[in-house]
Amino acid sequence: QKEVEQDPGPLSVPEGAIVSLNCTYSNSAFQYFMWYRQYSRKGPELLMYTYSSGNKEDGRFTAQVDKSSKYISLFIRDSQPSDSATYLCAMSRSTASKLTFGTGTRLQVTL
Amino acid sequence: KAGVTQTPRYLIKTRGQQVTLSCSPISGHRSVSWYQQTPGQGLQFLFEYFSETQRNKGNFPGRFSGRQFSNSRSEMNVSTLELGDSALYLCASSLEGPSGGNEQFFGPGTRLTVL
Repeated sequence: QKEVEQDPGPLSVPEGAIVSLNCTYSNSAFQYFMWYRQYSRKGPELLMYTYSSGNKEDGRFTAQVDKSSKYISLFIRDSQPSDSATYLCAMSRSTASKLTFGTGTRLQVTL
Repeated sequence: KAGVTQTPRYLIKTRGQQVTLSCSPISGHRSVSWYQQTPGQGLQFLFEYFSETQRNKGNFPGRFSGRQFSNSRSEMNVSTLELGDSALYLCASSLEGPSGGNEQFFGPGTRLTVL
């Protein structure tokens, strides 16, 4: 079983919809949680990071971490076609330790 | 400022050969991490170098090795290539480390095909 599980999708939603992306993990030592976005033929780019449990909001994006359930989520409000990409969750034990990634969820926002 | 650059962008090799990939981090970044990305396994961590020292290592065989130079540029080497080594190899740099508030910037990757 992988340390981080993520539904690969694809997930197709109409423009303007609220998107929910999720990851579950098994290692309770993870403290830092990140979401990356990867466009086709590009390297991933950091969208958001959260330390420990709680919510964090940045524009149309909200990240949630529930450490008791070992579950993290990324919500995208008012989704746009430009949000079409693969979204990867990542987590680590400390700021200096390696990142463990989910396999990514491919999102398609249609007009 | 210039982003992370990786050379070459595409590479075709045959089984048994070896390959060296290069990564130039963003100026001032001391941490360089390498990842292997495949459709089935996703992004898997290979190793991280910080100030010329390997600080973290993933679960890859010894055929995969790397190093970092005093100017923070990094190379990774794969010896005795196998078909399963075909993948996109990504390099990422950050100021102090790959996690937390240290934003990690990824390069475009090197697409390695092993025939």
